[in-house]
Amino acid sequence: KAGVTQTPRYLIKTRGQQVTLSCSPISGHRSVSWYQQTPGQGLQFLFEYFSETQRNKGNFPGRFSGRQFSNSRSEMNVSTLELGDSALYLCASLRDTFSYNEQFFGPGTRLTVL
Amino acid sequence: AQSVTQLGSHVSVSEGALVLLRCNYSSSVPPYLFWYVQYPNQGLQLLLKYTSAATLVKGINGFEAEFKKSETSFHLTKPSAHMSDAAEYFCAVSNTNAGKSTFGDGTTLTVKP
Repeated sequence: KAGVTQTPRYLIKTRGQQVTLSCSPISGHRSVSWYQQTPGQGLQFLFEYFSETQRNKGNFPGRFSGRQFSNSRSEMNVSTLELGDSALYLCASLRDTFSYNEQFFGPGTRLTVL
Repeated sequence: AQSVTQLGSHVSVSEGALVLLRCNYSSSVPPYLFWYVQYPNQGLQLLLKYTSAATLVKGINGFEAEFKKSETSFHLTKPSAHMSDAAEYFCAVSNTNAGKSTFGDGTTLTVKP
């Protein structure tokens, strides 16, 4: 079974631009969560989508948004990029929450904002 | 609200020595607890999880952790360190909503030959 895939793996943008990151969960998994990882703030939860609906949201500004498609693939968008948005963005998928399962993480997208 | 504290941002051990990585949690409901490992430029890999079935949890690569409710701890141990164990380790807590986890700041494990 293929793991969680994220594209692109590396991205360089300049301040003020916007960026879209993609995550394909493990087949059959309906939940996709996004996390931001930085040396200063560690791993922080951005949001979770389940069956195309945002189920949870972290404490990030509205410049960070996401969506999930009917095939469970998810995208996150960051508009008006700031230098502080440079980070490793990790996505994780989960089969469901009716019986407890752990999240499976993708390799991440490393975003550099210049 | 829930939180995780990992004591010691850096731990160094000799190859063959005991590995002990400390994690304390705070949760208003019975928690689910996890340990993940992250190698450079990679995502997180689950080592083990506690979901209230047994207090001593065995994971992959010889790691185990013991849930101690009275101490609100979930320390990770391995009897004998291997060079390949050098990585960053994260403790995480989640309530019944498995899609949202709160992570500790991580502990970098160095293994000396």
